[in-house]
Amino acid sequence: GAVVSQHPSRVICKSGTSVKIECRSLDFQATTMFWYRQFPKQSLMLMATSNEGSKATYEQGVEKDKFLINHASLTLSTLTVTSAHPEDSSFYICSAPGLAGINIQYFGAGTRLSVL
Amino acid sequence: AQKVTQAQTEISVVEKEDVTLDCVYETRDTTYYLFWYKQPPSGELVFLIRRNSFDEQNEISGRYSWNFQKSTSSFNFTITASQVVDSAVYFCALSVGGTSYGKLTFGQGTILTVHP
Repeated sequence: GAVVSQHPSRVICKSGTSVKIECRSLDFQATTMFWYRQFPKQSLMLMATSNEGSKATYEQGVEKDKFLINHASLTLSTLTVTSAHPEDSSFYICSAPGLAGINIQYFGAGTRLSVL
Repeated sequence: AQKVTQAQTEISVVEKEDVTLDCVYETRDTTYYLFWYKQPPSGELVFLIRRNSFDEQNEISGRYSWNFQKSTSSFNFTITASQVVDSAVYFCALSVGGTSYGKLTFGQGTILTVHP
Protein backbone atom coordinates (compact mmCIF):
# COMPACT_ATOMS: atom_id res chain seq x y z
CA GLY A 1 0.00 0.00 0.00
CA ALA A 2 0.91 3.65 -0.26
CA VAL A 3 3.49 4.84 2.25
CA VAL A 4 2.80 8.53 1.67
CA SER A 5 -0.74 9.79 1.74
CA GLN A 6 -1.64 13.06 0.11
CA HIS A 7 -4.98 14.80 0.49
CA PRO A 8 -7.03 16.04 -1.23
CA SER A 9 -6.46 14.42 -4.60
CA ARG A 10 -8.32 17.14 -6.42
CA VAL A 11 -9.52 20.58 -5.45
CA ILE A 12 -11.34 23.28 -7.35
CA CYS A 13 -11.49 26.71 -5.79
CA LYS A 14 -12.31 30.28 -6.61
CA SER A 15 -9.63 32.83 -7.22
CA GLY A 16 -8.55 34.51 -3.99
CA THR A 17 -9.18 31.59 -1.67
CA SER A 18 -6.54 29.57 0.15
CA VAL A 19 -6.09 25.87 -0.26
CA LYS A 20 -4.34 23.48 2.12
CA ILE A 21 -2.77 20.24 0.95
CA GLU A 22 -1.69 17.56 3.42
CA CYS A 23 1.10 15.06 3.07
CA ARG A 24 1.37 12.25 5.60
CA SER A 25 3.96 9.56 5.98
CA LEU A 26 2.33 6.29 6.94
CA ASP A 27 4.05 3.92 9.36
CA PHE A 28 7.27 5.90 9.38
CA GLN A 29 8.59 9.25 10.50
CA ALA A 30 9.81 11.86 8.07
CA THR A 31 11.83 14.76 9.38
CA THR A 32 12.12 15.97 5.82
CA MET A 33 9.53 16.09 3.06
CA PHE A 34 9.67 17.61 -0.38
CA TRP A 35 7.05 19.50 -2.35
CA TYR A 36 7.07 19.43 -6.13
CA ARG A 37 4.95 21.16 -8.72
CA GLN A 38 4.11 19.83 -12.16
CA PHE A 39 2.47 21.78 -14.95
CA PRO A 40 0.61 19.84 -17.65
CA LYS A 41 2.95 17.80 -19.81
CA GLN A 42 5.95 19.16 -18.00
CA SER A 43 8.46 17.91 -15.50
CA LEU A 44 8.36 18.01 -11.74
CA MET A 45 10.03 21.03 -10.22
CA LEU A 46 11.07 21.12 -6.60
CA MET A 47 9.35 23.93 -4.77
CA ALA A 48 10.61 23.51 -1.23
CA THR A 49 12.05 21.21 1.38
CA SER A 50 9.89 20.85 4.45
CA ASN A 51 11.78 20.38 7.72
CA GLU A 52 10.10 19.16 10.88
CA GLY A 53 10.29 21.75 13.61
CA SER A 54 11.98 24.41 11.53
CA LYS A 55 11.38 26.66 8.56
CA ALA A 56 11.04 25.25 5.10
CA THR A 57 13.76 25.79 2.53
CA TYR A 58 12.38 27.26 -0.67
CA GLU A 59 13.88 26.93 -4.12
CA GLN A 60 14.82 30.03 -6.01
CA GLY A 61 11.85 31.76 -7.52
CA VAL A 62 9.25 30.18 -5.23
CA GLU A 63 7.28 32.73 -3.22
CA LYS A 64 7.40 31.90 0.46
CA ASP A 65 4.35 33.95 1.28
CA LYS A 66 2.35 32.37 -1.50
CA PHE A 67 3.22 28.77 -0.65
CA LEU A 68 3.21 28.30 3.09
CA ILE A 69 4.71 25.10 4.38
CA ASN A 70 4.24 23.73 7.85
CA HIS A 71 5.86 20.55 9.14
CA ALA A 72 4.47 20.39 12.63
CA SER A 73 4.93 16.70 13.28
CA LEU A 74 7.13 13.85 12.15
CA THR A 75 4.40 12.48 9.93
CA LEU A 76 2.65 15.53 8.52
CA SER A 77 3.62 18.37 6.24
CA THR A 78 1.13 20.83 4.81
CA LEU A 79 1.32 23.15 1.82
CA THR A 80 -1.05 26.09 1.80
CA VAL A 81 -1.52 27.99 -1.43
CA THR A 82 -2.60 31.40 -0.25
CA SER A 83 -4.85 33.68 -2.27
CA ALA A 84 -4.80 31.25 -5.15
CA HIS A 85 -5.01 32.51 -8.71
CA PRO A 86 -5.54 30.66 -11.99
CA GLU A 87 -1.80 30.58 -12.64
CA ASP A 88 -1.40 28.49 -9.47
CA SER A 89 -3.42 25.73 -11.09
CA SER A 90 -1.10 22.77 -11.22
CA PHE A 91 -0.37 19.28 -9.95
CA TYR A 92 1.32 19.32 -6.56
CA ILE A 93 3.18 16.25 -5.32
CA CYS A 94 4.87 15.60 -2.01
CA SER A 95 7.50 13.05 -1.18
CA ALA A 96 9.23 11.69 1.88
CA PRO A 97 12.42 9.66 2.33
CA GLY A 98 11.62 6.00 2.66
CA LEU A 99 11.99 3.62 5.48
CA ALA A 100 15.42 3.22 7.00
CA GLY A 101 17.56 0.94 4.92
CA ILE A 102 15.52 1.35 1.80
CA ASN A 103 16.64 4.89 1.18
CA ILE A 104 14.41 6.05 -1.57
CA GLN A 105 11.78 8.71 -1.77
CA TYR A 106 8.16 7.76 -1.76
CA PHE A 107 5.70 10.04 -3.47
CA GLY A 108 2.16 10.93 -2.63
CA ALA A 109 -0.54 10.49 -5.26
CA GLY A 110 -0.58 14.21 -5.95
CA THR A 111 -3.14 16.99 -5.71
CA ARG A 112 -4.61 18.55 -8.81
CA LEU A 113 -5.47 22.17 -8.06
CA SER A 114 -7.76 24.09 -10.36
CA VAL A 115 -8.31 27.76 -9.59
CA LEU A 116 -11.26 29.34 -11.36
CA ALA B 1 23.89 22.78 -10.52
CA GLN B 2 22.44 19.51 -11.62
CA LYS B 3 20.68 18.81 -14.86
CA VAL B 4 18.87 15.84 -16.36
CA THR B 5 18.00 15.68 -20.04
CA GLN B 6 15.57 13.32 -21.65
CA ALA B 7 15.83 14.16 -25.31
CA GLN B 8 12.82 12.10 -26.38
CA THR B 9 9.64 13.99 -25.63
CA GLU B 10 7.32 11.35 -27.01
CA ILE B 11 7.76 7.80 -28.26
CA SER B 12 5.13 5.71 -29.92
CA VAL B 13 5.57 1.97 -30.48
CA VAL B 14 3.47 -1.03 -31.30
CA GLU B 15 3.03 -3.72 -28.70
CA LYS B 16 5.89 -6.23 -28.45
CA GLU B 17 8.43 -3.80 -29.81
CA ASP B 18 11.48 -2.99 -27.71
CA VAL B 19 11.93 0.65 -26.74
CA THR B 20 14.78 2.56 -25.16
CA LEU B 21 14.35 5.78 -23.23
CA ASP B 22 17.43 7.95 -23.07
CA CYS B 23 18.67 9.93 -20.08
CA VAL B 24 21.74 12.12 -19.84
CA TYR B 25 22.72 13.83 -16.60
CA GLU B 26 25.10 16.55 -15.49
CA THR B 27 26.62 16.99 -12.06
CA ARG B 28 29.95 17.94 -10.55
CA ASP B 29 29.38 15.74 -7.55
CA THR B 30 31.19 12.44 -7.50
CA THR B 31 28.56 10.83 -5.31
CA TYR B 32 25.07 10.78 -6.70
CA TYR B 33 22.06 8.59 -7.34
CA LEU B 34 20.04 8.10 -10.49
CA PHE B 35 16.44 7.05 -10.64
CA TRP B 36 13.71 6.15 -13.06
CA TYR B 37 10.08 6.79 -12.18
CA LYS B 38 6.91 5.90 -14.06
CA GLN B 39 3.93 8.24 -13.99
CA PRO B 40 0.71 6.64 -15.26
CA PRO B 41 -2.33 8.80 -16.12
CA SER B 42 -3.40 8.73 -12.48
CA GLY B 43 -0.41 10.94 -11.70
CA GLU B 44 1.20 8.94 -8.93
CA LEU B 45 4.93 8.40 -9.37
CA VAL B 46 6.02 4.77 -9.31
CA PHE B 47 9.62 4.02 -8.37
CA LEU B 48 11.37 1.75 -10.86
CA ILE B 49 15.06 1.75 -10.05
CA ARG B 50 17.84 3.49 -8.15
CA ARG B 51 21.51 3.34 -9.07
CA ASN B 52 24.42 4.98 -7.25
CA SER B 53 27.39 6.56 -8.95
CA PHE B 54 29.77 3.84 -7.85
CA ASP B 55 27.80 0.98 -9.30
CA GLU B 56 27.89 0.78 -13.06
CA GLN B 57 26.49 -2.69 -13.30
CA ASN B 58 23.59 -2.96 -15.65
CA GLU B 59 20.41 -4.28 -14.21
CA ILE B 60 17.56 -6.34 -15.53
CA SER B 61 14.19 -6.74 -13.90
CA GLY B 62 11.76 -8.73 -15.97
CA ARG B 63 11.13 -6.81 -19.18
CA TYR B 64 12.98 -3.76 -17.85
CA SER B 65 16.70 -3.17 -18.11
CA TRP B 66 18.95 -0.24 -17.39
CA ASN B 67 22.30 0.73 -18.86
CA PHE B 68 24.41 3.07 -16.73
CA GLN B 69 27.54 4.52 -18.34
CA LYS B 70 29.49 7.11 -16.38
CA SER B 71 31.77 7.77 -19.34
CA THR B 72 28.87 9.25 -21.27
CA SER B 73 26.82 10.36 -18.21
CA SER B 74 23.92 8.30 -19.40
CA PHE B 75 21.39 6.10 -17.67
CA ASN B 76 19.17 4.59 -20.34
CA PHE B 77 16.09 2.49 -19.78
CA THR B 78 14.92 -0.29 -22.11
CA ILE B 79 11.57 -2.01 -22.11
CA THR B 80 11.60 -5.31 -23.94
CA ALA B 81 8.45 -6.60 -25.62
CA SER B 82 6.46 -3.52 -24.68
CA GLN B 83 2.87 -3.81 -23.58
CA VAL B 84 -0.04 -1.40 -23.61
CA VAL B 85 0.19 -1.15 -19.81
CA ASP B 86 3.65 0.36 -20.23
CA SER B 87 2.06 3.50 -21.63
CA ALA B 88 2.95 6.31 -19.24
CA VAL B 89 5.31 9.20 -18.72
CA TYR B 90 8.76 8.10 -17.63
CA PHE B 91 11.08 10.37 -15.67
CA CYS B 92 14.76 10.07 -15.08
CA ALA B 93 15.96 11.85 -11.93
CA LEU B 94 19.16 12.70 -10.12
CA SER B 95 19.97 13.17 -6.44
CA VAL B 96 23.42 14.31 -5.35
CA GLY B 97 25.26 13.72 -2.13
CA GLY B 98 25.73 10.78 0.16
CA THR B 99 22.11 9.80 0.53
CA SER B 100 19.68 8.59 -2.07
CA TYR B 101 16.71 10.32 -0.49
CA GLY B 102 17.63 13.94 -1.03
CA LYS B 103 15.83 16.30 -3.32
CA LEU B 104 15.49 15.18 -6.90
CA THR B 105 16.21 16.91 -10.16
CA PHE B 106 13.93 15.50 -12.83
CA GLY B 107 14.30 15.28 -16.55
CA GLN B 108 11.57 16.60 -18.78
CA GLY B 109 9.95 13.20 -19.06
CA THR B 110 9.26 10.92 -22.01
CA ILE B 111 5.69 10.11 -22.95
CA LEU B 112 5.56 6.50 -24.03
CA THR B 113 2.53 5.26 -25.93
CA VAL B 114 2.27 1.58 -26.71
CA HIS B 115 -0.36 0.75 -29.31
CA PRO B 116 -2.05 -2.65 -29.44
